[in-house]
Amino acid sequence: EVKLLESGGGLVQAGGSLRLSCSASGFRFSLYAMYWVRQAPGKGPEWVSTISGSGDKTHYADSVKDRSTVSRDNSKNTVSLQVNYLRGDDTAIYYCAKLRERFLEWEPLDHWGQGALVIVSS
Amino acid sequence: AIRMTQSPSSFSASPGDTVTITCRASQVVSIYLAWYQQRPGKAPKLLIYGASTLQSGVSSRFSGSGSGTDFTLTISSLQPEDFATYYCQQYYSFPSFGGGTKVDVK
Repeated sequence: EVKLLESGGGLVQAGGSLRLSCSASGFRFSLYAMYWVRQAPGKGPEWVSTISGSGDKTHYADSVKDRSTVSRDNSKNTVSLQVNYLRGDDTAIYYCAKLRERFLEWEPLDHWGQGALVIVSS
Repeated sequence: AIRMTQSPSSFSASPGDTVTITCRASQVVSIYLAWYQQRPGKAPKLLIYGASTLQSGVSSRFSGSGSGTDFTLTISSLQPEDFATYYCQQYYSFPSFGGGTKVDVK
């Protein structure tokens, strides 16, 4: 059974930093690109970042580009997202999600974690 | 960035109804279009990918169609568990989601 479990959410001051982690199990982690997707209260999901299975390719949404870093440790089946210079509009539930197909980067997401709530206070 | 526009943003329906939700992309995405269902407090659940392929384990009451820029999700014979919010997502390029369509009980 595929399981994704996020951690690291919480209340953060504007201008601060946050590191989210996602622990994965139940599939061959290193073969799948992983996404971070966030959802602000009452809004649709927003793609944040993608990291390839090997970790050699990363992509970021314009909204977090230049202040975020995505990484993964395939020996520990974990993927992480660090976001710096947090702003009020970063307040959201952050999900890690697994792609439906191996080896590809742009695919639908067939498994999602339960999400980690990040609240940025001013 | 490709913008995804869903319509309507919400509507009411009765159990047993057949309903259709529309999603339009701001540029051609071929058939790289997925639909998700989200219940309150839960993560989105993949229903359909490739515009019309049903994800394993999803009820056949859900069906999708379209290509290019215009897509539809149809839910036949609405069941109580189908009252939720639905999102489309393109994965032709950097992913983007629609704003959602909330289906509630009439």
